[in-house]
Amino acid sequence: QLQLQESGPGLVKPSETLSLTCTVSGGSIRSSSYYWGWIRQSPGKGLEWVGSIFYSGSTYYNPSLGSRVSISVDTSKNQFSLNLRSLIAADTAVYYCMRDSDCSGGYCFATPGGGLVGHWGQGVLVTVSS
Amino acid sequence: DIQLTQSPSSLSASVGDRVTITCRASQGISSFLAWYQQKPGKAPNLLIYAASTLQSGVPSRFSGSGSGTRFTLTISSLQPEDFGSYYCQQLRSYPLTFGGGTKVEIK
Repeated sequence: QLQLQESGPGLVKPSETLSLTCTVSGGSIRSSSYYWGWIRQSPGKGLEWVGSIFYSGSTYYNPSLGSRVSISVDTSKNQFSLNLRSLIAADTAVYYCMRDSDCSGGYCFATPGGGLVGHWGQGVLVTVSS
Repeated sequence: DIQLTQSPSSLSASVGDRVTITCRASQGISSFLAWYQQKPGKAPNLLIYAASTLQSGVPSRFSGSGSGTRFTLTISSLQPEDFGSYYCQQLRSYPLTFGGGTKVEIK
């Protein structure tokens, strides 16, 4: 059974960089045609897609995060990571790593990087505060 | 960006009631819409995709309909375990966006 587990700091100072890692077990990042990614959830903004990555390194990001966000993959460790720079208080949220869902038929998604979430990590609360 | 507006923002219903949640898109998204259920303290869980396709393992009392800009999620007979929040998501274009959520409480 596929499992995803986030790891990283729970408290980060403003202007610093957040680094989160998602470790995948029960399946290989390389052995599938799914996209992997990050979604965050804050009380003020609800659910927000952060970005997605394919094992080859192809990425898609939410433009609202500009150049602050990057996602990378380490297939040797079966992990992918999120870096979010120049943190502000509004980045405080629960961060979930995720994987696309299986889906059949048409209209699953029109976006090249998928985004229909079938598997979620348990989430990690990140607070941005001095 | 495509905005998704859900209504109502919250509701309270009795076991056995028929419950309907609406999601309106700011522009046409064909049938590229999904619905998720989230229990407190847990990650969301995919219920329906492609507007009306039930995800494997999801009870048949859940159904989805709609296309273009107006979509509905229906629970035909509300069960005690259906409490939680429900979110729609559009997959027509980037950035992927979600509705603001509907909180369902059991009377």
